[in-house]
Amino acid sequence: SYELTQPPSVSVSPGQTARITCSADAFPKQYAYWYQQKPGQAPVLVIDKDTERPSGIPERFSGSISGTTVTLTISGVQAEDEADYYCQSVDSSGTYWVFGGGTKLTVL
Amino acid sequence: QVQLQQWGAGLLKPSETLSLTCAVYGGSFRGYYWSWIRQPPGKGLEWIGDINHSGSTNSNPSLKSRVTISVDTSKNQFSLNLSSVTAADTALYYCARGQSPDYYDSSGFDSWGQGTLVTVSS
Repeated sequence: SYELTQPPSVSVSPGQTARITCSADAFPKQYAYWYQQKPGQAPVLVIDKDTERPSGIPERFSGSISGTTVTLTISGVQAEDEADYYCQSVDSSGTYWVFGGGTKLTVL
Repeated sequence: QVQLQQWGAGLLKPSETLSLTCAVYGGSFRGYYWSWIRQPPGKGLEWIGDINHSGSTNSNPSLKSRVTISVDTSKNQFSLNLSSVTAADTALYYCARGQSPDYYDSSGFDSWGQGTLVTVSS
């Protein structure tokens, strides 16, 4: 089965830059997406189509892609950014959506 | 602003069929694929499947044999049936708005329901 691999956890101090990676055997022609999920809440789309920031998402959130790895970068991390983050893309045959295992971001 | 409201039975016995419905308020029902996504307690997200207004569906191969997704365009609603449930199907189930996985220019899931906790226990 197709898998997206994320680190289980990332820790940063307030004001620092957090980088969360998501790797795959290959990212097909489809895009990657990133979601933020806080406890007890539904996920929120924070990065669309690899690098696009939806309306209402702070500028400190950005996305990038390099080869088979996509990265969510949060610049100037704030305490409110502490959450679980999930990447999403399509499987290698382009027929179903797949989520990464999730990364818990801890703000020290 | 689109809103998704979902409901369904929260407690099932093994071998029963899970049934959930999601209603879409505001925005267009056409032009999107409407998904079901689940999250076991303390675990990550798993996409179950989706449907569009004309009834075209996609589904996760790991669940395909047990999943039925249907649509009622007269009410802007879509539903999930998952048959022969076991304890492994215990999860928070979400409905969400997105696009087809085989569409080259798909956007992500930009609107979500509030979630329904479904527990399978004898």
